[in-house]
Amino acid sequence: NAGVTQTPKFQVLKTGQSMTLQCAQDMNHNSMYWYRQDPGMGLRLIYYSASEGTTDKGEVPNGYNVSRLNKREFSLRLESAAPSQTSVYFCASSEVAGTNEKLFFGSGTQLSVL
Amino acid sequence: GQSLEQPSEVTAVEGAIVQINCTYQTSGFYGLSWYQQHDGGAPTFLSYNALDGLEETGRFSSFLSRSDSYGYLLLQELQMKDSASYFCAVDDYKLSFGAGIKAAGNKLTFGGGTRVLVKP
Repeated sequence: NAGVTQTPKFQVLKTGQSMTLQCAQDMNHNSMYWYRQDPGMGLRLIYYSASEGTTDKGEVPNGYNVSRLNKREFSLRLESAAPSQTSVYFCASSEVAGTNEKLFFGSGTQLSVL
Repeated sequence: GQSLEQPSEVTAVEGAIVQINCTYQTSGFYGLSWYQQHDGGAPTFLSYNALDGLEETGRFSSFLSRSDSYGYLLLQELQMKDSASYFCAVDDYKLSFGAGIKAAGNKLTFGGGTRVLVKP
């Protein structure tokens, strides 16, 4: 049981390049999330998907797009990377509408934009 | 919007007790969570409080007072492995509609984290 799997683990981009971060979960969770974490700070929600077929903006969506490909997979795309997007990105999943909301996180992607 | 305040750093010795406070201001509130994150690792769930009172899970306990918009995480019998960052997070419940499906997702807003350093 792998839980939440993110790829790649590390990536270096030049300003203006594009890339897609992949995330997959094998826990049959309905909800999936993308967070970013800057050094010494908490996690900020970029986008989330409450269920297959829906996506919504979080706190910091500008410069990103997402696709909920199916129930298992939720990808994050940077169309034109900027240095301000240098961060660690975490994907997470959870059960739908639980009263005890528990997020399971992937191991993260460390992204540097030069 | 949402805002959460927690101390940036706490230092304690092995075997001691540490309390990490979290105060929040939110437009909606369904619960307060706590997550632990070791350096270079992913956040992992510790506890969740939806109702007022104390929840105990082994050496860790979490408390919530909804009327005071306040909670805390209590770490007892500190061990070296407890050196990590601890984040409080507010649960913001939101309904989302799409493709004819009524679904719900809970968005968590995280505090800035408290770095706990445990010394021998």
